[in-house]
Amino acid sequence: AQKITQTQPGMFVQEKEAVTLDCTYDTSDPSYGLFWYKQPSSGEMIFLIYQGSYDQQNATEGRYSLNFQKARKSANLVISASQLGDSAMYFCAMRDDTGGFKTIFGAGTRLFVKA
Amino acid sequence: DVKVTQSSRYLVKRTGEKVFLECVQDMDHENMFWYRQDPGLGLRLIYFSYDVKMKEKGDIPEGYSVSREKKERFSLILESASTNQTSMYLCASSYPRPYNEQFFGPGTRLTVL
Repeated sequence: AQKITQTQPGMFVQEKEAVTLDCTYDTSDPSYGLFWYKQPSSGEMIFLIYQGSYDQQNATEGRYSLNFQKARKSANLVISASQLGDSAMYFCAMRDDTGGFKTIFGAGTRLFVKA
Repeated sequence: DVKVTQSSRYLVKRTGEKVFLECVQDMDHENMFWYRQDPGLGLRLIYFSYDVKMKEKGDIPEGYSVSREKKERFSLILESASTNQTSMYLCASSYPRPYNEQFFGPGTRLTVL
């Protein structure tokens, strides 16, 4: 069965420093997609970054990068130069291609950025 | 910009009531999803739909049903609300491919008394 694990319930980071949010996944499907979403206190989920299982390079989107280690089944999110507005819940998610459009989510990591 | 709207931000209902949660998207997305979000559990998929009148069960469909009569609208129905259905409900939509990033609505916080 597919599974997403986020082992860090909460993280603190100093403003302007980089932070890594951990995500490991489990699937037997060779084709899958990995996502990170941000949920600010307002509640709306915001898509951040995507990595396909066949992508050779790690995905990057502005200050966000995804450290994809396929053999270890990890897809950690790296946020560089943290800002106060980065304080939010962050969810890792996986789309399993054998399940069609089904996407499963991890439990989330709450990030606190300190001034 | 993609816009996904949900009929209510906050809803309070009584045990046994029939509850309708409405979701509308304006980007002609084929796929639509209903999740519930509970602390420590992340988002759990209740139902999803990849076309009009089509529906598929997610991980926790018990106690829920859905309706998709039009492409832009996906309704979640609690036939007889119970207190354990108190939760945040999130609707999302996406294109089928290439990687179907999901666009989420603002959520409905449902309290069942």
